[in-house]
Amino acid sequence: SQQGEEDPQALSIQEGENATMNCSYKTSINNLQWYRQNSGRGLVHLILIRSNEREKHSGRLRVTLDTSKKSSSLLITASRAADTASYFCAHSGGSNYKLTFGKGTLLTVNP
Amino acid sequence: NAGVTQTPKFRVLKTGQSMTLLCAQDMNHEYMYWYRQDPGMGLRLIHYSVGEGTTAKGEVPDGYNVSRLKKQNFLLGLESAAPSQTSVYFCASSSGHTGSTEAFFGQGTRLTVV
Repeated sequence: SQQGEEDPQALSIQEGENATMNCSYKTSINNLQWYRQNSGRGLVHLILIRSNEREKHSGRLRVTLDTSKKSSSLLITASRAADTASYFCAHSGGSNYKLTFGKGTLLTVNP
Repeated sequence: NAGVTQTPKFRVLKTGQSMTLLCAQDMNHEYMYWYRQDPGMGLRLIHYSVGEGTTAKGEVPDGYNVSRLKKQNFLLGLESAAPSQTSVYFCASSSGHTGSTEAFFGQGTRLTVV
């Protein structure tokens, strides 16, 4: 399987703390994306980082990419209860249209 | 702006029955995708389309068929439902290759096959 893997599978923190989730993948990639899924809802795109980028920011989100280690991390700073959701990384490579998703990290932010 | 709309939202089928899931997008996107989501498995691509009249197999296509007769619609068919097809199905669309642009997802269809 070419599925990526998120780590940890579940993470529980207090409001105001930072949350870090990691993603590993197996193939060469064009870019890597992070999505959020609230319970019972569809996925929502958060951020895309291209293979030639090392770090990207969007509001309270910071994504890093290390293509030599085939890994990425998503940092959410100053977390809020509303950040409670599952977070997925997704990647594609070459001319393949397929966006391959990892199995997700369930983040719980306690008020 | 509705984005991506899936119909129906819930369905219970008996083994052997058939059904069609409809996905409609109003963003004039070329690319459309069907995924299934199972506990602990993430999302797996069933079929996809890179434009009106085109379809292609993803990683788990067996037991499903698709059609893209109109650019805005992507239909997923189950000809003879099996309990293994119990899942949550998500449709997605994007303006380009999902590898380079973000994908927009529908709210999902929860299908139970008994």
